Amino acid sequence: DGGITQSPKYLFRKEGQNVTLSCEQNLNHDAMYWYRQDPGQGLRLIYYSQIVNDFQKGDIAEGYSVSREKKESFPLTVTSAQKNPTAFYLCASSSTGQNSPLHFGNGTRLTVT
Amino acid sequence: GESVGLHLPTLSVQEGDNSIINCAYSNSASDYFIWYKQESGKGPQFIIDIRSNMDKRQGQRVTVLLNKTVKHLSLQIAATQPGDSAFFFCAESYGGSNYKLTFGKGTLLTVNP
Repeated sequence: DGGITQSPKYLFRKEGQNVTLSCEQNLNHDAMYWYRQDPGQGLRLIYYSQIVNDFQKGDIAEGYSVSREKKESFPLTVTSAQKNPTAFYLCASSSTGQNSPLHFGNGTRLTVT
Repeated sequence: GESVGLHLPTLSVQEGDNSIINCAYSNSASDYFIWYKQESGKGPQFIIDIRSNMDKRQGQRVTVLLNKTVKHLSLQIAATQPGDSAFFFCAESYGGSNYKLTFGKGTLLTVNP
């Protein structure tokens, strides 16, 4: 079955450590996205990529970094510069056609103490 | 119902009742709207969408209504079942690009058997 796989489901880190969240898709989608979900707020876009080897900052990119070396993979690194990293992180993919639906992974819950 | 505001609305209904979840969107230029369902610990799933040239669209047990005059979107679920219990949120966009999506804060629906 095609889909998006995020791993791990739960991640715990100490403050000051960088951590990388994995996102893999086998839907052959060109576009991939990272969102952050916090209680009482709508999803906020961190980074997106519309093609391999290219990515753009979203609304809340500070303290995060990404790479897009392969079409299938779009890992997100939460750096020590992110002031409030504890959150639920969602990866999504879509084709690049107009209003193409987003397909989401099941998320990674990151807790930084 | 939901608004682009400060609290997380909740809606509690009895099994078999119809549910109405509301969303007030912010951008009068938005031309595409989506409803998502998110079960606990999972990623959002697409439910139904509507373009701005329509005011109603029906799916299986769900209907989306769009009132552009007052920038209001609603999701109606017929004969609500316990399996419908989830977090529901809307999204709006303009120009057809997913990276321009703005997500609402969501409503938690609880269906009592």
